[in-house]
Amino acid sequence: SQKIEQNSEALNIQEGKTATLTCNYTNYSPAYLQWYRQDPGRGPVFLLLIRENEKEKRKERLKVTFDTTLKQSLFHITASQPADSATYLCALENQAGTALIFGKGTTLSVSS
Amino acid sequence: NAGVMQNPRHLVRRRGQEARLRCSPMKGHSHVYWYRQLPEEGLKFMVYLQKENIIDESGMPKERFSAEFPKEGPSILRIQQVVRGDSAAYFCASSLGQGELETQYFGPGTRLLVL
Repeated sequence: SQKIEQNSEALNIQEGKTATLTCNYTNYSPAYLQWYRQDPGRGPVFLLLIRENEKEKRKERLKVTFDTTLKQSLFHITASQPADSATYLCALENQAGTALIFGKGTTLSVSS
Repeated sequence: NAGVMQNPRHLVRRRGQEARLRCSPMKGHSHVYWYRQLPEEGLKFMVYLQKENIIDESGMPKERFSAEFPKEGPSILRIQQVVRGDSAAYFCASSLGQGELETQYFGPGTRLLVL
Protein backbone atom coordinates (compact mmCIF):
# COMPACT_ATOMS: atom_id res chain seq x y z
CA SER A 1 0.00 0.00 0.00
CA GLN A 2 1.04 3.61 -0.44
CA LYS A 3 3.18 5.00 2.33
CA ILE A 4 4.20 8.59 2.95
CA GLU A 5 6.68 9.67 5.61
CA GLN A 6 7.81 13.01 6.90
CA ASN A 7 11.13 12.38 8.52
CA SER A 8 11.08 14.92 11.31
CA GLU A 9 8.27 15.30 13.78
CA ALA A 10 9.65 18.64 14.91
CA LEU A 11 12.08 21.19 13.57
CA ASN A 12 13.35 24.21 15.51
CA ILE A 13 15.16 27.01 13.72
CA GLN A 14 16.10 30.64 14.26
CA GLU A 15 14.36 33.49 12.52
CA GLY A 16 15.92 34.37 9.20
CA LYS A 17 17.25 30.86 8.52
CA THR A 18 15.95 28.48 5.86
CA ALA A 19 13.73 25.64 7.05
CA THR A 20 13.89 22.42 5.03
CA LEU A 21 11.25 19.72 5.50
CA THR A 22 11.40 16.28 3.91
CA CYS A 23 8.66 14.04 2.56
CA ASN A 24 9.34 10.50 1.30
CA TYR A 25 6.92 8.08 -0.28
CA THR A 26 6.97 4.42 -1.29
CA ASN A 27 4.99 1.90 -3.34
CA TYR A 28 3.61 4.52 -5.64
CA SER A 29 4.47 6.92 -8.46
CA PRO A 30 2.20 9.92 -7.92
CA ALA A 31 1.43 12.36 -10.69
CA TYR A 32 1.73 15.21 -8.20
CA LEU A 33 2.38 16.04 -4.57
CA GLN A 34 0.90 18.76 -2.37
CA TRP A 35 2.01 20.65 0.73
CA TYR A 36 -0.39 22.01 3.35
CA ARG A 37 0.00 24.10 6.48
CA GLN A 38 -1.99 23.35 9.63
CA ASP A 39 -2.21 25.63 12.66
CA PRO A 40 -3.38 24.32 16.05
CA GLY A 41 -7.14 23.91 16.18
CA ARG A 42 -7.57 24.63 12.48
CA GLY A 43 -7.96 22.74 9.24
CA PRO A 44 -5.11 22.32 6.75
CA VAL A 45 -4.52 25.13 4.25
CA PHE A 46 -3.21 24.37 0.77
CA LEU A 47 0.19 25.87 -0.04
CA LEU A 48 1.70 24.33 -3.17
CA LEU A 49 1.22 21.55 -5.71
CA ILE A 50 4.10 20.16 -7.74
CA ARG A 51 3.69 17.76 -10.66
CA GLU A 52 5.94 14.80 -11.49
CA ASN A 53 7.39 16.59 -14.51
CA GLU A 54 8.30 19.67 -12.46
CA LYS A 55 11.60 19.65 -10.61
CA GLU A 56 10.95 22.76 -8.59
CA LYS A 57 8.19 25.20 -7.79
CA ARG A 58 8.28 28.53 -5.95
CA LYS A 59 5.76 30.78 -4.27
CA GLU A 60 7.07 33.84 -2.44
CA ARG A 61 9.41 32.46 0.27
CA LEU A 62 8.36 28.86 -0.34
CA LYS A 63 10.13 26.40 -2.61
CA VAL A 64 9.23 22.78 -3.27
CA THR A 65 11.28 20.19 -5.13
CA PHE A 66 10.13 16.81 -6.38
CA ASP A 67 12.58 14.00 -7.12
CA THR A 68 10.69 11.04 -8.57
CA THR A 69 13.86 8.91 -8.64
CA LEU A 70 14.48 9.34 -4.92
CA LYS A 71 10.71 9.41 -4.28
CA GLN A 72 11.18 12.52 -2.23
CA SER A 73 9.95 16.09 -1.96
CA LEU A 74 11.72 18.87 -0.10
CA PHE A 75 9.87 21.91 1.20
CA HIS A 76 11.89 25.03 1.92
CA ILE A 77 10.91 28.24 3.70
CA THR A 78 13.53 30.93 3.22
CA ALA A 79 14.02 33.90 5.57
CA SER A 80 11.79 32.15 8.10
CA GLN A 81 9.66 34.16 10.51
CA PRO A 82 7.97 33.25 13.81
CA ALA A 83 4.65 33.45 11.93
CA ASP A 84 5.80 30.45 9.87
CA SER A 85 5.56 28.27 12.99
CA ALA A 86 3.00 25.58 12.23
CA THR A 87 2.68 21.95 11.20
CA TYR A 88 3.41 21.26 7.55
CA LEU A 89 1.84 18.28 5.84
CA CYS A 90 2.70 16.64 2.56
CA ALA A 91 0.02 14.77 0.67
CA LEU A 92 -0.32 12.48 -2.33
CA GLU A 93 -3.40 11.53 -4.25
CA ASN A 94 -4.33 7.91 -3.66
CA GLN A 95 -4.15 5.47 -6.54
CA ALA A 96 -7.90 5.57 -7.03
CA GLY A 97 -7.69 9.34 -7.45
CA THR A 98 -10.39 9.84 -4.88
CA ALA A 99 -8.62 11.28 -1.86
CA LEU A 100 -5.38 12.57 -0.41
CA ILE A 101 -2.98 10.51 1.70
CA PHE A 102 -1.25 12.70 4.25
CA GLY A 103 2.02 12.38 6.09
CA LYS A 104 1.94 12.88 9.86
CA GLY A 105 3.45 16.32 9.47
CA THR A 106 6.48 18.21 10.67
CA THR A 107 5.95 20.85 13.34
CA LEU A 108 8.15 23.84 12.64
CA SER A 109 9.04 26.32 15.38
CA VAL A 110 10.79 29.54 14.39
CA SER A 111 12.26 31.47 17.29
CA SER A 112 13.09 35.16 17.19
CA ASN B 1 -16.91 34.14 -0.20
CA ALA B 2 -17.41 31.81 2.75
CA GLY B 3 -15.08 28.89 3.06
CA VAL B 4 -15.97 25.36 4.10
CA MET B 5 -18.14 25.45 7.20
CA GLN B 6 -18.42 22.72 9.77
CA ASN B 7 -20.63 22.49 12.79
CA PRO B 8 -20.57 21.98 15.57
CA ARG B 9 -16.94 22.93 16.23
CA HIS B 10 -16.95 20.89 19.42
CA LEU B 11 -19.19 17.97 20.29
CA VAL B 12 -19.30 15.97 23.50
CA ARG B 13 -21.12 12.65 23.57
CA ARG B 14 -21.42 9.81 26.04
CA ARG B 15 -20.66 6.28 24.96
CA GLY B 16 -23.57 4.79 23.04
CA GLN B 17 -24.97 8.11 21.81
CA GLU B 18 -25.08 9.29 18.22
CA ALA B 19 -22.90 12.03 16.76
CA ARG B 20 -23.90 14.06 13.70
CA LEU B 21 -21.29 16.22 12.05
CA ARG B 22 -22.26 18.72 9.37
CA CYS B 23 -20.27 20.17 6.52
CA SER B 24 -21.27 22.91 4.08
CA PRO B 25 -18.84 23.00 1.15
CA MET B 26 -17.59 26.15 -0.50
CA LYS B 27 -20.06 27.76 -2.87
CA GLY B 28 -20.09 25.96 -6.18
CA HIS B 29 -18.20 22.91 -4.90
CA SER B 30 -19.90 19.58 -5.47
CA HIS B 31 -17.17 17.26 -4.13
CA VAL B 32 -16.88 16.61 -0.39
CA TYR B 33 -14.29 14.59 1.50
CA TRP B 34 -14.24 13.59 5.17
CA TYR B 35 -11.00 12.98 7.06
CA ARG B 36 -10.30 11.98 10.66
CA GLN B 37 -7.30 13.11 12.70
CA LEU B 38 -6.53 11.18 15.85
CA PRO B 39 -4.20 12.66 18.48
CA GLU B 40 -0.56 12.28 17.39
CA GLU B 41 -1.67 10.83 14.04
CA GLY B 42 -1.99 12.18 10.55
CA LEU B 43 -5.15 12.94 8.65
CA LYS B 44 -6.83 9.77 7.44
CA PHE B 45 -9.28 9.69 4.55
CA MET B 46 -12.71 8.36 5.36
CA VAL B 47 -15.15 9.00 2.54
CA TYR B 48 -15.55 10.95 -0.71
CA LEU B 49 -18.98 12.07 -1.87
CA GLN B 50 -20.52 13.96 -4.70
CA LYS B 51 -24.06 15.25 -4.59
CA GLU B 52 -26.32 12.30 -3.69
CA ASN B 53 -23.55 9.76 -4.36
CA ILE B 54 -20.87 8.04 -2.31
CA ILE B 55 -17.86 7.69 -4.59
CA ASP B 56 -15.32 6.09 -2.25
CA GLU B 57 -15.96 5.00 1.33
CA SER B 58 -12.93 2.76 1.64
CA GLY B 59 -11.56 4.68 4.63
CA MET B 60 -14.74 4.57 6.65
CA PRO B 61 -15.34 1.85 9.26
CA LYS B 62 -18.04 -0.55 8.07
CA GLU B 63 -19.94 -0.46 11.34
CA ARG B 64 -21.58 2.56 12.97
CA PHE B 65 -20.33 5.16 10.46
CA SER B 66 -22.31 6.57 7.55
CA ALA B 67 -22.14 9.65 5.36
CA GLU B 68 -24.44 11.44 2.99
CA PHE B 69 -24.43 14.50 0.77
CA PRO B 70 -28.03 15.22 -0.22
CA LYS B 71 -29.14 17.28 -3.18
CA GLU B 72 -30.02 20.10 -0.81
CA GLY B 73 -28.26 20.87 2.42
CA PRO B 74 -24.95 20.00 4.02
CA SER B 75 -23.03 16.77 4.00
CA ILE B 76 -23.55 14.73 7.18
CA LEU B 77 -21.15 12.30 8.83
CA ARG B 78 -23.06 10.17 11.29
CA ILE B 79 -21.53 8.02 13.99
CA GLN B 80 -23.88 5.71 15.83
CA GLN B 81 -23.23 4.25 19.29
CA VAL B 82 -20.03 6.22 19.76
CA VAL B 83 -17.11 4.71 21.65
CA ARG B 84 -14.14 6.42 23.29
CA GLY B 85 -11.93 5.52 20.32
CA ASP B 86 -14.09 7.76 18.10
CA SER B 87 -12.73 10.83 19.91
CA ALA B 88 -10.87 12.77 17.24
CA ALA B 89 -10.97 15.83 15.03
CA TYR B 90 -13.11 15.31 11.94
CA PHE B 91 -12.34 17.50 8.96
CA CYS B 92 -14.39 18.08 5.88
CA ALA B 93 -12.88 19.32 2.63
CA SER B 94 -14.48 20.35 -0.63
CA SER B 95 -13.29 20.80 -4.19
CA LEU B 96 -14.70 22.12 -7.41
CA GLY B 97 -13.98 18.88 -9.24
CA GLN B 98 -11.73 15.89 -9.06
CA GLY B 99 -8.15 15.68 -10.24
CA GLU B 100 -4.77 17.22 -9.76
CA LEU B 101 -5.84 20.75 -10.35
CA GLU B 102 -8.68 20.63 -7.92
CA THR B 103 -7.33 21.84 -4.62
CA GLN B 104 -9.14 20.60 -1.55
CA TYR B 105 -10.27 23.33 0.83
CA PHE B 106 -10.63 22.26 4.43
CA GLY B 107 -13.07 23.37 7.09
CA PRO B 108 -12.08 24.14 10.68
CA GLY B 109 -13.02 20.68 11.88
CA THR B 110 -15.33 19.22 14.50
CA ARG B 111 -13.67 17.98 17.65
CA LEU B 112 -15.58 15.03 19.01
CA LEU B 113 -15.03 13.95 22.60
CA VAL B 114 -16.63 10.75 23.79
CA LEU B 115 -16.93 10.42 27.54
